[in-house]
Amino acid sequence: KAGVTQTPRYLIKTRGQQVTLSCSPISGHRSVSWYQQTPGQGLQFLFEYFSETQRNKGNFPGRFSGRQFSNSRSEMNVSTLELGDSALYLCASSLLAGSTDTQYFGPGTRLTVL
Amino acid sequence: QKEVEQNSGPLSVPEGAIASLNCTYSDRGSQSFFWYRQYSGKSPELIMSIYSNGDKEDGRFTAQLNKASQYVSLLIRDSQPSDSATYLCAVNIMNRDDKIIFGKGTRLHILP
Repeated sequence: KAGVTQTPRYLIKTRGQQVTLSCSPISGHRSVSWYQQTPGQGLQFLFEYFSETQRNKGNFPGRFSGRQFSNSRSEMNVSTLELGDSALYLCASSLLAGSTDTQYFGPGTRLTVL
Repeated sequence: QKEVEQNSGPLSVPEGAIASLNCTYSDRGSQSFFWYRQYSGKSPELIMSIYSNGDKEDGRFTAQLNKASQYVSLLIRDSQPSDSATYLCAVNIMNRDDKIIFGKGTRLHILP
């Protein structure tokens, strides 16, 4: 069974631009969660989508948004990029919604904001 | 108190010895606990999940959960250089809208 895939793997943007990241979960998984990972803050939860609905959201500004499609693929958008948005963005898929099920991570998208 | 706390390390352990990694959490209602391993430049990969008090063994790895004391640990027996990585503890936090919160991780270095 194929794992979680994320595209693109690397991105370089400049301040003020916007970016869209994509995540395809493991086949059959309906929950997709997004995380931001930085050396200083570690892994921080952005949001979770299940059956095209946002179930949960972390403490990030409204510039961070997402959506999920009927095939469970998810996209994350960051508008008006800031230098501090440079990070590894990880998505994780799980079979069930909520925090009790095992999450499987994709390879991540490394975003650099100049 | 941080929701999930881990010693950042680095923890240096001789090859062949037992590596012990610890994690404490703040929410007494937490039900699910996970250990992930993350190699430098890679994404986290699941090692173990544990849901009940006591020990759970899988090969060289043993997870230990003590809900009364609010800690979860990971033991790695017969440590190998390939075990050198950052180990992330993750806990579901029910009083925070059912989210999984990750600790910042412990860097483990196995000395050959």
